[in-house]
Amino acid sequence: GAVVSQHPSWVICKSGTSVKIECRSLDFQATTMFWYRQFPKQSLMLMATSNEGSKATYEQGVEKDKFLINHASLTLSTLTVTSAHPEDSSFYICSARDSNIGNQPQHFGDGTRLSIL
Amino acid sequence: AQKVTQAQTEISVVEKEDVTLDCVYETRDTTYYLFWYKQPPSGELVFLIRRNSFDEQNEISGRYSWNFQKSTSSFNFTITASQVVDSAVYFCALSEAADYKLSFGAGTTVTVRA
Repeated sequence: GAVVSQHPSWVICKSGTSVKIECRSLDFQATTMFWYRQFPKQSLMLMATSNEGSKATYEQGVEKDKFLINHASLTLSTLTVTSAHPEDSSFYICSARDSNIGNQPQHFGDGTRLSIL
Repeated sequence: AQKVTQAQTEISVVEKEDVTLDCVYETRDTTYYLFWYKQPPSGELVFLIRRNSFDEQNEISGRYSWNFQKSTSSFNFTITASQVVDSAVYFCALSEAADYKLSFGAGTTVTVRA
């Protein structure tokens, strides 16, 4: 079945560092990918919709300059958390839809746990 | 705006008991999709089911069953004869056909004790 690979699984870094998270669709093309954030013991909240070849669409309250999204190919979207601070520590998870099949559910990556010291 | 409510925060049962998780949703769209996901302690999201708004048939898959009722905007999930491996957080989610964005409920933590 469809697989979405997310890398890295864990990141621990110092405050002020920029962190890049990759989301790849391994066996299908995805013109649209989604980035979600989940704080401990909370639900998943959509951060942004990543569109291949164009700008991402951010949800209200999400800083686009803080969370840079690049979707340069049909199989890869990246989320860069710029100048990360402890409050950015969270579980980030991406999902992707198969562009060639209509009405298909999203496939989720396994998530990235980000810890900022 | 769409909204998903899972009123039960935590449920604890003894193995072999049945567990029913409630989900109530709000949307103005006539075409939408409802989902249930399982999130074990390891964190990944496991897809369980998707239902579109035009299909109100209930579904059974092994020990899992789902009851979709548009009249009450509910999409409830039952685990029959629960097992310890069913312990996880379960999320109900809604997406509208126009953009496929998922809105998640707050989640229900299910703990099954041996």
